[in-house]
Amino acid sequence: DIQLTQSPSFLSASVGDRVTITCRASQDIRSSVAWYQQKPGKAPNLLIYAAFALQRGVPSRFSGSGSGTEFTLTISSLQPEDFATYYCQQLNSYPYTFGQGTKLGIK
Amino acid sequence: EVQLLESGGGLVQPGGSLRLSCAASGFSFSTYAMNWVRQAPGKGLEWVSAMNCCDGSTYYADSVQGRFTISRDNSKNTLYLQMNYLTAEDTAVYYCATGNSGWYWGQGTLVTVSS
Repeated sequence: DIQLTQSPSFLSASVGDRVTITCRASQDIRSSVAWYQQKPGKAPNLLIYAAFALQRGVPSRFSGSGSGTEFTLTISSLQPEDFATYYCQQLNSYPYTFGQGTKLGIK
Repeated sequence: EVQLLESGGGLVQPGGSLRLSCAASGFSFSTYAMNWVRQAPGKGLEWVSAMNCCDGSTYYADSVQGRFTISRDNSKNTLYLQMNYLTAEDTAVYYCATGNSGWYWGQGTLVTVSS
């Protein structure tokens, strides 16, 4: 199975900060990565697909990059509504797997 | 607009069974693979099972293999998950999800396994 390791697991930041979350895969998964945002009590919401494609309706302050085994999600200028938990997911092969999550909190 | 609506969750005793449903609308259901993902309380996301759109292929996480069965009725735009021999470790919110390179999700249905 393909393992995804996100770092950091917890991140404290302030409104206006630029933050980056990393997702490392245990083997080459090409560009088959999606990123989701999840708020408490809600379903995950797709932000980025195919490693760098911005989902329609998602603010442009979110961006994704990477290929192969290392991927990043960047938020260019944090807004109050961005404090949430973020997950990466690989869709290269079954079993589809998720990173353990990165909880982004207010500093 | 893609809409996924799960139902069928509830409280069940260890060793019991439950069938979840996911009613889909807003897209061509019969042409998309469908997935179940769960999230235990306070934990991360765990992919559970998938079913191909067209050839009936099914896939399962090791943790549910042999106990859970995924199925779909394309005439009703509905996905199912039959869950047998449930244990406390199956307690979670169960989501159905679909998409190509990234997924749309339902709101989830809570399954609680407890005596």
